[in-house]
Amino acid sequence: EAQVTQNPRYLITVTGKKLTVTCSQNMNHEYMSWYRQDPGLGLRQIYYSMNVEVTDKGDVPEGYKVSRKEKRNFPLILESPSPNQTSLYFCASSLTKDQPQHFGDGTRLSIL
Amino acid sequence: QKEVEQDPGPLSVPEGAIVSLNCTYSNSAFQYFMWYRQYSRKGPELLMYTYSSGNKEDGRFTAQVDKSSKYISLFIRDSQPSDSATYLCAMRSTNAGKSTFGDGTTLTVKP
Repeated sequence: EAQVTQNPRYLITVTGKKLTVTCSQNMNHEYMSWYRQDPGLGLRQIYYSMNVEVTDKGDVPEGYKVSRKEKRNFPLILESPSPNQTSLYFCASSLTKDQPQHFGDGTRLSIL
Repeated sequence: QKEVEQDPGPLSVPEGAIVSLNCTYSNSAFQYFMWYRQYSRKGPELLMYTYSSGNKEDGRFTAQVDKSSKYISLFIRDSQPSDSATYLCAMRSTNAGKSTFGDGTTLTVKP
């Protein structure tokens, strides 16, 4: 089954404790991206990747890092999480940047 | 001002009603237009994908794009309780690396 898989689905942690949210897709997609979804602010893009080793900032990249060492994986790293990063995070992928994206089921992060 | 504005809702209709969901935008470079449906605790799933102006129909769903007015719509005919969800519009310009999303409209279809 074609899918985008995120882990963990839920995480409660504390300020400053580094965390990684993993994202994996099994569709051989070139394009992958991370979004955060907040009430009243909608979906905002954090980072995206056009292909392996090619990443770029989206609208709200501050406080986040990403890497794309393999085509299927695109982890989101919070080196020193803060409470304002409490949000619902989505990973998405598409065959190319011109195609509509397939989304994972989300990761709900709470930073205390 | 946001690049994409979406009617905030929430919207509540009886089963069988015709639903109209709308977005306006300010960036005239947008060429690709999408509608996603998002159920609670799930990621957005693509419903409709259109390029430039015109209409596209898929079953009970019709997407309409009016580039001259910078206005897009999604119509749902014969709405069902299973259509209850949040609907997100999204759009992108050619060669852009990202899509811009509306905030979403929450729809409830009552049996």
